[in-house]
Amino acid sequence: RKEVEQDPGPFNVPEGATVAFNCTYSNSASQSFFWYRQDCRKEPKLLMSVYSSGNEDGRFTAQLNRASQYISLLIRDSKLSDSATYLCVVNIPTGFQKLVFGTGTRLLVSP
Amino acid sequence: DAGVTQSPTHLIKTRGQQVTLRCSPKSGHDTVSWYQQALGQGPQFIFQYYEEEERQRGNFPDRFSGHQFPNYSSELNVNALLLGDSALYLCASSLSITGELFFGEGSRLTVL
Repeated sequence: RKEVEQDPGPFNVPEGATVAFNCTYSNSASQSFFWYRQDCRKEPKLLMSVYSSGNEDGRFTAQLNRASQYISLLIRDSKLSDSATYLCVVNIPTGFQKLVFGTGTRLLVSP
Repeated sequence: DAGVTQSPTHLIKTRGQQVTLRCSPKSGHDTVSWYQQALGQGPQFIFQYYEEEERQRGNFPDRFSGHQFPNYSSELNVNALLLGDSALYLCASSLSITGELFFGEGSRLTVL
């Protein structure tokens, strides 16, 4: 089983739509979780951290379900500029910062 | 405040050659991690350097080696290049071994 699994998509949605991405992880000892955004041929950039209680940043909401080892990202009112690949990232507890990335989910927002 | 800088941005090598990629961390950061991102895949962890030592390593062969200098900059060396080494190589720096990672724009390596 992969350490981090995501649906690769692509997800094609119209502007204004709500879209949700899911991610599962295999290491139950993992403590830190993140969503990164990566534009085509660019480096990944931190979108948001994921906390146990769930957290929201504007149109973006991240949730964590430890029992099911499941992370989600919800984007409301999609914008054209949201088109990118969204990477689910888990910090593996080795005592150091070892981030394990999923393959990413590609989002295409159309007019 | 300069972010993470990597060089070269693009390079082409042939099988069997060796390559060295360079990374300067964000100002104030002391930890450097290297990732390999193949086309259509997420970044894969290669190794992490802190206090000039390799602290942990991913599932990469010994052909991949690195170094960190006293000024915290780092190099990634790959020997005996294979076609499968073609990828985007990302350097990420952080403050301490558990801080938030900031990525450079990457070095895109093509092996012919």
